[in-house]
Amino acid sequence: DGGITQSPKYLFRKEGQNVTLSCEQNLNHDAMYWYRQDPGQGLRLIYYSQIVNDFQKGDIAEGYSVSREKKESFPLTVTSAQKNPTAFYLCASSMRLADNEQFFGPGTRLTVL
Amino acid sequence: QQQVKQSPQSLIVQKGGISIINCAYENTAFDYFPWYQQFPGKGPALLIAIRPDVSEKKEGRFTISFNKSAKQFSLHIMDSQPGDSATYFCAASMRAGTPLVFGKGTRLSVIA
Repeated sequence: DGGITQSPKYLFRKEGQNVTLSCEQNLNHDAMYWYRQDPGQGLRLIYYSQIVNDFQKGDIAEGYSVSREKKESFPLTVTSAQKNPTAFYLCASSMRLADNEQFFGPGTRLTVL
Repeated sequence: QQQVKQSPQSLIVQKGGISIINCAYENTAFDYFPWYQQFPGKGPALLIAIRPDVSEKKEGRFTISFNKSAKQFSLHIMDSQPGDSATYFCAASMRAGTPLVFGKGTRLSVIA
């Protein structure tokens, strides 16, 4: 089955700890994205990558970091510098040279204790 | 600066009725306008999308109406069903491979 997988589904973190969220896709998509969702805020862009080894900051990149070493993978690290990390994190992917249909993963809910 | 404004925040519709959600955008460079449906605890799923060269697109009970001059687009759900109860997001983007800019969402409740 083709799709996007995110793991873990739920994640708990103590304050001051870094944590990495996994995102993998087998759709052969070039572009990948990370969004953060908070109640009543819609989805806000954290980072995106259009090709391997390249990525751009989104609107709320502070306190986050990413890497894109493989086309299939786009992990997101939430660092201790992120002031309010408790949220629902969504990964998406799309083709770069076609319609901009973005497919979303099932999400990871991060809670800081 | 919010580039896509969505209204209403919440909507209650009787079963069989028409649900209407509106969005307005500011950036005239946008050329792709999707609507996503999201159930609690799940990722958003693409419902229907439109490009500005057409004024309307229909897929089953779902229709997008697009007004380029007014920079507005809307989602109409005909014969609304309780299973349509979800949060709906409009979005906009430029060329393929660029991020979507989302509205803040509309929570739809369809009651019997």
